[in-house]
Amino acid sequence: KNQVEQSPQSLIILEGKNCTLQCNYTVSPFSNLRWYKQDTGRGPVSLTIMTFSENTKSNGRYTATLDADTKQSSLHITASQLSDSASYICVVSAVGSQGNLIFGKGTKLSVKP
Amino acid sequence: DSGVTQTPKHLITATGQRVTLRCSPRSGDLSVYWYQQSLDQGLQFLIQYYNGEERAKGNILERFSAQQFPDLHSELNLSSLELGDSALYFCARTVGHKGNTGELFFGEGSRLTVL
Repeated sequence: KNQVEQSPQSLIILEGKNCTLQCNYTVSPFSNLRWYKQDTGRGPVSLTIMTFSENTKSNGRYTATLDADTKQSSLHITASQLSDSASYICVVSAVGSQGNLIFGKGTKLSVKP
Repeated sequence: DSGVTQTPKHLITATGQRVTLRCSPRSGDLSVYWYQQSLDQGLQFLIQYYNGEERAKGNILERFSAQQFPDLHSELNLSSLELGDSALYFCARTVGHKGNTGELFFGEGSRLTVL
């Protein structure tokens, strides 16, 4: 069964600190993996999209990594800011799965001053 | 700006009722996707339309239906509502080739509360 699991479920860090969020998936055949940021009550916003051949992709202070062999991805946030408080969602697409992306439940990050 | 407009933003109704949620993608966007997000749950894919035709179907209940009109706006109809239908409903557009799932741009969602 195609699944995406994220950890931790929630995380609290102090402003200025770094953190890493994890995503494990069993989706096959793999097409691409995305990370989205979702502010409370708002629509998700794309941070990165990575295909099979990409190991790392950055978007400002966000860096995503992908290990297609172990089917793991991580999202590293550097020098966190209060505005980083949100849910971070890992999404995996299978080849040929038009429209049917597999969403993780997200990691809820709280950045405290 | 995601280029997706959803109305209404909030909706409160009673069990057994029927509601219609509306999605207007950016002019020229042929694909629309509908997702449901229940409290503390991941987004669940409901259905996709491309240029007026149903392209893919996910975990959409028989009580739910959708359509895409000639002007490419879409409506999601939810009927015989139950308490468990309370959720955020998102519409999304894609810039992928021929409606394939490229990068998704989500609207701000319609929050449905069923009492």
